[in-house]
Amino acid sequence: DAMVIQNPRYQVTQFGKPVTLSCSQTLNHNVMYWYQQKSSQAPKLLFHYYDKDFNNEADTPDNFQSRRPNTSFCFLDIRSPGLGDAAMYLCATSRDPGRLNTEAFFGQGTRLTVV
Amino acid sequence: AQTVTQSQPEMSVQEAETVTLSCTYDTSESDYYLFWYKQPPSRQMILVIRQEAYKQQNATENRFSVNFQKAAKSFSLKISDSQLGDAAMYFCAWGANSKLTFGKGITLSVRP
Repeated sequence: DAMVIQNPRYQVTQFGKPVTLSCSQTLNHNVMYWYQQKSSQAPKLLFHYYDKDFNNEADTPDNFQSRRPNTSFCFLDIRSPGLGDAAMYLCATSRDPGRLNTEAFFGQGTRLTVV
Repeated sequence: AQTVTQSQPEMSVQEAETVTLSCTYDTSESDYYLFWYKQPPSRQMILVIRQEAYKQQNATENRFSVNFQKAAKSFSLKISDSQLGDAAMYFCAWGANSKLTFGKGITLSVRP
């Protein structure tokens, strides 16, 4: 049974055209993350939600936004995609009592292509 | 800020043999977890093994074990009796304060 589901698996968008990636979870975890993973590089944390609290990484460009309307869903919005934003985007969740990370569960990722 | 370093980009192992993947990290935190994640081609990342920093005993999960040296900030993964299904990208990661910081990963190939 899929626990962290990302849609779509593959997304092609035009340069400068807003795009939204979605993530849902059936684990009822309180933390949800968005990572950007470029080829041969480490996944880079963009931001995470601890319940409704949004935590942005200092070096995440303003072009990237996120929404979490409820526990189950989280969205990544790229307002004006550039060619450099082409990457795999990973959503992950964790149950995180006391802010000590125990384990993250990942979705299969969305491969974003910018044309 | 914490960093995780995996200096070997690729490794290869013969089926049924043992391989060790290296990882070092840097942090000023006292409480944290360390992880090894496996990412098979076109599949999602899954947890292989986890180590709590306050525990001296090295974690083991079947064929997978770690060598955790806290003072040296070293966290290597040993895979025994390697199987074809172990071929994947392996990421070392550090976790605390609701964050995971990953290393660049190592591609492991398994020769039949």
